[in-house]
Amino acid sequence: GAVVSQHPSRVICKSGTSVKIECRSLDFQATTMFWYRQFPKQSLMLMATSNEGSKATYEQGVEKDKFLINHASLTLSTLTVTSAHPEDSSFYICSARESGKENSPLHFGNGTRLTVT
Amino acid sequence: GQNIDQPTEMTATEGAIVQINCTYQTSGFNGLFWYQQHAGEAPTFLSYNVLDGLEEKGRFSSFLSRSKGYSYLLLKELQMKDSASYLCAVMDSNYQLIWGAGTKLIIKP
Repeated sequence: GAVVSQHPSRVICKSGTSVKIECRSLDFQATTMFWYRQFPKQSLMLMATSNEGSKATYEQGVEKDKFLINHASLTLSTLTVTSAHPEDSSFYICSARESGKENSPLHFGNGTRLTVT
Repeated sequence: GQNIDQPTEMTATEGAIVQINCTYQTSGFNGLFWYQQHAGEAPTFLSYNVLDGLEEKGRFSSFLSRSKGYSYLLLKELQMKDSASYLCAVMDSNYQLIWGAGTKLIIKP
């Protein structure tokens, strides 16, 4: 089945530093990838839609200058949390859908638990 | 606006059957998905319904009625490992997924 690899699975960083999270589709191409954030005991919240070769589309309230998204190839999207602060501590999850199959399910990475101290 | 409703929490007994309901109001419809999410982990895909009726996959079944804007996930022969949150998500006319808040299922021995 379709596999999405997300790295790192866990990261602890100091306030003010930047963290990069990678999301790779291992056995399929993904024109579109999605970045979610989930706080404890809350539902998934879509942050942005990452489009290969073009700018990401951010959801309302998500700062594009703080959460930089790059989708340089059909198998890789990265999310960089810039100047991280404790309130950015959360579970970040990427997902991808196989190109050309809009009705197909999203396949999720295993998530990245970010702790900002 | 777009809205997905599902119960916040349900409790069931090991070996029993439980039905988790989901109602939706969205801009268009291109299918409904059910995902399972264990605490601290990412969601995993369970089922997809785009036509009315029941889809069966082992111990799990999912039902859809488009005219009623309604779906349910049926879990049979419950096992302790089924304790998780179950997320209902609808794909709208723009192929965007609208997520429910999830139903936390607690299985008791």
